[in-house]
Amino acid sequence: DVKVTQSSRYLVKRTGEKVFLECVQDMDHENMFWYRQDPGLGLRLIYFSYDVKMKEKGDIPEGYSVSREKKERFSLILESASTNQTSMYLCASSFRGLLEAFFGQGTRLTVV
Amino acid sequence: KNEVEQSPQNLTAQEGEFITINCSYSVGISALHWLQQHPGGGIVSLFMLSSGKKKHGRLIATINIQEKHSSLHITASHPRDSAVYICAVRSGGATNKLIFGTGTLLAVQP
Repeated sequence: DVKVTQSSRYLVKRTGEKVFLECVQDMDHENMFWYRQDPGLGLRLIYFSYDVKMKEKGDIPEGYSVSREKKERFSLILESASTNQTSMYLCASSFRGLLEAFFGQGTRLTVV
Repeated sequence: KNEVEQSPQNLTAQEGEFITINCSYSVGISALHWLQQHPGGGIVSLFMLSSGKKKHGRLIATINIQEKHSSLHITASHPRDSAVYICAVRSGGATNKLIFGTGTLLAVQP
């Protein structure tokens, strides 16, 4: 079975903290994605990566950065967390050119 | 207007009922996905369609490319089918970028 594992299910952080969300996949997928999910808005793409050290902005990259130093790991970084970044964060991965994406369990982040 | 629209947003059904969730999209696509999200957050892929119809157990998904419309049907619904069902379209290109609908919250009551 394909596994996409996110490091935390629940996180509570303070405003201004630097936050790292980690995602690891075990299927040698080239593509990895970070989404956030908010009520009434669905999933929105923050950043994606199609190869090691490669990254591209999604639809809502402001306030976020990413790192992909190894193929299996894609990190989402909140440089200075704000309350409007309270959300569910979902990581996904897929083979390049393959249509199906596999999702992690999600990290529910609360910024207080 | 969202590029992917789902209806209804919320649906309550009695156990055993036949359920239909609809998805309309306004962009050119190479594939359409139906996803299921249970409470707690994890998302599971149910179907990936580029034409016609697929069936898996009590679930059936259809797509009409000309009309830019897809439906997800659940036959003989059961309380364990209660979840959020999400339609997503793949807009093409090598990066598998997906555009998501906002989801349909389904509650099946015993």
